[in-house]
Amino acid sequence: QSVLTQPPSVSGAPGQRITISCTGNSSNIGAGYDVHWYQQLPGTAPKLLIYGNTNRPSGVPDRFSGSQSGTSASLAITGLQVEDEADYYCQSYDRSLIWVFGGGTKLTVL
Amino acid sequence: QITLKESGPTLVKPTQTLTLTCTFSGFLFSTSGVGVGWIRQPPGKALEWLALIDWEDDKRYSPSLSHRLTITKDASKNQVVLTLSNMDPVDTGTYFCAHTDRWYNGFDAWGQGTPVTVSS
Repeated sequence: QSVLTQPPSVSGAPGQRITISCTGNSSNIGAGYDVHWYQQLPGTAPKLLIYGNTNRPSGVPDRFSGSQSGTSASLAITGLQVEDEADYYCQSYDRSLIWVFGGGTKLTVL
Repeated sequence: QITLKESGPTLVKPTQTLTLTCTFSGFLFSTSGVGVGWIRQPPGKALEWLALIDWEDDKRYSPSLSHRLTITKDASKNQVVLTLSNMDPVDTGTYFCAHTDRWYNGFDAWGQGTPVTVSS
């Protein structure tokens, strides 16, 4: 059971916009700790997609964006592309001095 | 460019102790804020954070596994070692090491992962 809650799956057609939610509590996201997002393509290691709630590392397209409010965060992908099909994970820090991940969301591009 | 690579046994027997090594390049542990964490992923399942060691040698462990985990670093060899004792089939999965430049910035570089199977 992951500390952060994500929908198991989302889907969208090429060109569409999708969002993936990440819900925590007052000990992690709600305590003001940043949320980070990772993309994991099949058979590969996770890749940092968004850090500090809204920031994109160099090389990440601006089609990917993040937001945070209260005890939740969201990842948005606009102009969906076939190559975006992957698993997406949110991650934050918890007051119990640990790092926590979401359960992951499988994105299917129809 | 930061690179990390995990190494260790691919098969361990139940009750044995797993020892994994993360060999890295492109950063120094003497740099303020730097940390290396271990994260695992059972087949078809989610990522699970296990442990992290930082530039001050501060060590943090997942509460559910803290009694079985030990993380150490050898800055002179650019290595971080993770041990997990009393292995069980549920510990089967891919183990990743990853770099962070600040504990609040997420893990910005990952190793390719090393698969571990626990079976007699």
